[in-house]
Amino acid sequence: DSGVTQTPKHLITATGQRVTLRCSPRSGDLSVYWYQQSLDQGLQFLIQYYNGEERAKGNILERFSAQQFPDLHSELNLSSLELGDSALYFCASSVGVGGVRANVLTFGAGSRLTVL
Amino acid sequence: QQPVQSPQAVILREGEDAVINCSSSKALYSVHWYRQKHGEAPVFLMILLKGGEQKGHEKISASFNEKKQQSSLYLTASQLSYSGTYFCGTAGDSWGKFQFGAGTQVVVTP
Repeated sequence: DSGVTQTPKHLITATGQRVTLRCSPRSGDLSVYWYQQSLDQGLQFLIQYYNGEERAKGNILERFSAQQFPDLHSELNLSSLELGDSALYFCASSVGVGGVRANVLTFGAGSRLTVL
Repeated sequence: QQPVQSPQAVILREGEDAVINCSSSKALYSVHWYRQKHGEAPVFLMILLKGGEQKGHEKISASFNEKKQQSSLYLTASQLSYSGTYFCGTAGDSWGKFQFGAGTQVVVTP
């Protein structure tokens, strides 16, 4: 157990629908990252939050949005889902402040989304 | 911009060595290496911050040439447990927009 909790583990839904993925960071970590990994592909950076505020943005579609709440958990909202959105979505957390290990990432087990 | 990794894949016999390279077109603050086993989440291996500095994890070591914006991961005397996909990750500053390379799949056979 990495300490990063993601729910749900698996999600099957239809095109056009909306889903919410949830992530609780490791205790003490202030920064949360979201990555998308399609089948046998690399890790595509979506977005990063630090202590409730957006810190960096990657190739996140306009149909996707995220936020980090005061208790530091984060949610990734995916709407108007398309077949191509099927992927494994990872959340990772880090300490997120200055220092050598500020952005060393601890990953959750991932949420596997299947869009039919 | 994503760092570029090479090779895409490598097949080794137990005990053989391999090198995985990671390069970036941008100045780097740090380079991280992660390993993802099939069906699992990526796991942090090591971080490199200074030019020429080497770190190690088991018999896996890495170097970082800051001037060339390149890092190399060395798998020495490979073991079956080394199989997986290795990702380098880079950041332009101390935190934020942490990007991964496309990954290098490593298969170690008996």
